[in-house]
Amino acid sequence: AQSVSQHNHHVILSEAASLELGCNYSYGGTVNLFWYVQYPGQHLQLLLKYFSGDPLVKGIKGFEAEFIKSKFSFNLRKPSVQWSDTAEYFCAVFSRGGSYIPTFGRGTSLIVHP
Amino acid sequence: EAGVAQSPRYKIIEKRQSVAFWCNPISGHATLYWYQQILGQGPKLLIQFQNNGVVDDSQLPKDRFSAERLKGVDSTLKIQPAKLEDSAVYLCASGTGLADTQYFGPGTRLTVL
Repeated sequence: AQSVSQHNHHVILSEAASLELGCNYSYGGTVNLFWYVQYPGQHLQLLLKYFSGDPLVKGIKGFEAEFIKSKFSFNLRKPSVQWSDTAEYFCAVFSRGGSYIPTFGRGTSLIVHP
Repeated sequence: EAGVAQSPRYKIIEKRQSVAFWCNPISGHATLYWYQQILGQGPKLLIQFQNNGVVDDSQLPKDRFSAERLKGVDSTLKIQPAKLEDSAVYLCASGTGLADTQYFGPGTRLTVL
């Protein structure tokens, strides 16, 4: 069974600091990769996704992620965080071909101090 | 466009009781997912539908959980009987195709006493 690991469970930063959240997955086949965000009191929503092509993908609000196939990783980055980025961030993987089962990581809680 | 609707938003029941959750996906979305999210964990897939057919239900505890998607539109998830460990947020999501973006509803927070 595939698994998704998010190693940073809680991250606390000051505004303008740089952010990198790790995501590693175990599935060896072709995958679709996602980062979802849940702002306080809101629904889970898509931040960015990677299906194929350029491994560096850009999402909303200045976020980007890099797919490194050899490392089974899809890390999320933002050069300068804002207080409004305070949220829960989830990495998700869909295996393509076969079962198409989506698997989520346990999430990273990000708190940005103004 | 209207988002994914779920009801109720909150439910408190005692163990061994039954409970049902309802989900109305975004119009035209073929895929529908039910997740269980326990506090401090990520969403765990329970069942995935493509139109009114089941794509995967390998993680659904079938001795107590059941789900259906009649006519390929809205869906219900039922727990009968509930256990204490079923306390969680139950999320519904929909999408246009397999392995693509999911659009989530607000969830139903279930507390089993």
